[in-house]
Amino acid sequence: KNQVEQSPQSLIILEGKNCTLQCNYTVSPFSNLRWYKQDTGRGPVSLTIMTFSENTKSNGRYTATLDADTKQSSLHITASQLSDSASYICVVSGVSGGSYIPTFGRGTSLIVHP
Amino acid sequence: EPEVTQTPSHQVTQMGQEVILRCVPISNHLYFYWYRQILGQKVEFLVSFYNNEISEKSEIFDDQFSVERPDGSNFTLKIRSTKLEDSAMYFCASSETQQLGTTEAFFGQGTRLTVV
Repeated sequence: KNQVEQSPQSLIILEGKNCTLQCNYTVSPFSNLRWYKQDTGRGPVSLTIMTFSENTKSNGRYTATLDADTKQSSLHITASQLSDSASYICVVSGVSGGSYIPTFGRGTSLIVHP
Repeated sequence: EPEVTQTPSHQVTQMGQEVILRCVPISNHLYFYWYRQILGQKVEFLVSFYNNEISEKSEIFDDQFSVERPDGSNFTLKIRSTKLEDSAMYFCASSETQQLGTTEAFFGQGTRLTVV
């Protein structure tokens, strides 16, 4: 069964600090891995998308890594800001016979304190 | 910037009633999706739609659910006879092509459905 596990479940950091969120998956065959930011009560917003051949991708202060061999990904946030407080969701898509099925993680709830 | 819009933002309905959730995807997108998120739980894929037919659906998307693109702009999710456990945030999303590779999907702000 395809699964995406994220850790930690929640994280509290001080403004300006860095943090790293983890994602482990068992989705196979693999198509891509996405990190989304979801503010409370809002729709997810895409941060990064990585395919099998990519092992790092940046979007401003967000840097995602992917190790397709160990089926792990991380999202590193640099110099956190108060507006980074949100849920960060890892989504892994498998593809089979041209079909696309995404599997969502439960998300990591990040709180940035001043 | 183009965006996916959903209406209404909040819908309250009585158990057993039919509800229709509406979405206007980004105009040049060809693939459309519905997801749901029960309060405190993870987002779950419901269905994808392309070329006026369902391309994928999850186990959640049973006979109570249906999708339709009634005209050139709207994409709707109908729940025929709502149950208490249908209470959730429902997100619509769209993408230019199928979400393989690096194609990005854009989500709407969601419709919060409350079944009482």
